[in-house]
Amino acid sequence: GAVVSQHPSWVICKSGTSVKIECRSLDFQATTMFWYRQFPKQSLMLMATSNEGSKATYEQGVEKDKFLINHASLTLSTLTVTSAHPEDSSFYICSAARLEGQGRDIQYFGAGTRLSVL
Amino acid sequence: AQTVTQSQPEMSVQEAETVTLSCTYDTSESDYYLFWYKQPPSRQMILVIRQEAYKQQNATENRFSVNFQKAAKSFSLKISDSQLGDAAMYFCAYRSALRTDKLIFGTGTRLQVFP
Repeated sequence: GAVVSQHPSWVICKSGTSVKIECRSLDFQATTMFWYRQFPKQSLMLMATSNEGSKATYEQGVEKDKFLINHASLTLSTLTVTSAHPEDSSFYICSAARLEGQGRDIQYFGAGTRLSVL
Repeated sequence: AQTVTQSQPEMSVQEAETVTLSCTYDTSESDYYLFWYKQPPSRQMILVIRQEAYKQQNATENRFSVNFQKAAKSFSLKISDSQLGDAAMYFCAYRSALRTDKLIFGTGTRLQVFP
């Protein structure tokens, strides 16, 4: 159980175009979903937290108009990188939180999306 | 603000041997959770083990165990009988029990396993 699917795994796009990344919890309903960015050989940096039906909460320094997050249902969140530029090239990882009793939730991660902007 | 520190950028171990990865954290909270995640070359983050701060007993999961020292704010991961498949980046992470949101990650330790 606790499978999180992220699609696509790799995308190459031209500068100025927009790219959408999907994150789905396949076998559970996620209380919250998260989007992270990971630069080469570095740790994961949280970009935003999203809850179904409400606006995402962005971390300081993350442009909300640049990185649009839509949380359409308890199993689906999307991240759209708008007007992508080469500096947006990175590895993006989503996670979904599953409630596991006694009020605790555990984050399970997708396999990530490598974005390359030419 | 909470911080997580992993002071070992790289570690190596011989197959079948034991290795310990270090993690320290800083927090003023008394209730929280600590995690170790593994990121193999595929880059899929995999939960290895978790520890609730209110539990004195150290968590164990098969060959993986932790040494949780709450007073010292230390949370090390011990991997016994190391296997080639254990080679990966290991991230220590903290999460507040009050706020069920963000995980705060350390910078990671790259573990190499030699046959």
